[in-house]
Amino acid sequence: SQQGEEDPQALSIQEGENATMNCSYKTSINNLQWYRQNSGRGLVHLILIRSNEREKHSGRLRVTLDTSKKSSSLLITASRAADTASYFCATDAGPRQLTFGSGTQLTVLP
Amino acid sequence: DGGITQSPKYLFRKEGQNVTLSCEQNLNHDAMYWYRQDPGQGLRLIYYSQIVNDFQKGDIAEGYSVSREKKESFPLTVTSAQKNPTAFYLCASTPTVATDTQYFGPGTRLTVL
Repeated sequence: SQQGEEDPQALSIQEGENATMNCSYKTSINNLQWYRQNSGRGLVHLILIRSNEREKHSGRLRVTLDTSKKSSSLLITASRAADTASYFCATDAGPRQLTFGSGTQLTVLP
Repeated sequence: DGGITQSPKYLFRKEGQNVTLSCEQNLNHDAMYWYRQDPGQGLRLIYYSQIVNDFQKGDIAEGYSVSREKKESFPLTVTSAQKNPTAFYLCASTPTVATDTQYFGPGTRLTVL
């Protein structure tokens, strides 16, 4: 079963707007990660947030983590057409394993 | 895609045939992983290896086999026992077994005709 589930499944915005996608998970975690996947390509790691952190920034990315609600959000500010991709959250389901959600497909329109 | 290569990029197989997908890394990483991705879905773990000559089953190992004879190589064989093998296959690695971030290859798309 998948630990993390992203919401929404698909998101379409105009260039320059902010994009927010959410991830919910079921069991306790040590950390949560976000990955990006361009169509037909491998995944690229974006950011990792540990269970004792509440917010983390990396460039135009902002990730929050609420362990009481078992949820995380990824905010991409000032989006660009090149941000068009699928975004996945991943949690450490067990020793040395990650469990991935089904992803949010983001489309940024020029 | 870093220093992880997967080949071929596209692979076609007839029903009943075994096929082997290649995954090579030059990152000197200890741990390697194989995932399967179906359209519109997340990744599901097939097998992983923490060290040479050792590997463990993931969530969907049935119909698949692996070997880890060399640190840099982790080939995946899709056997005829896998009932629905058409999918996108992704290989990943981490520097050590305790490392959280995974580094992915570009993937192999397998289609069974």
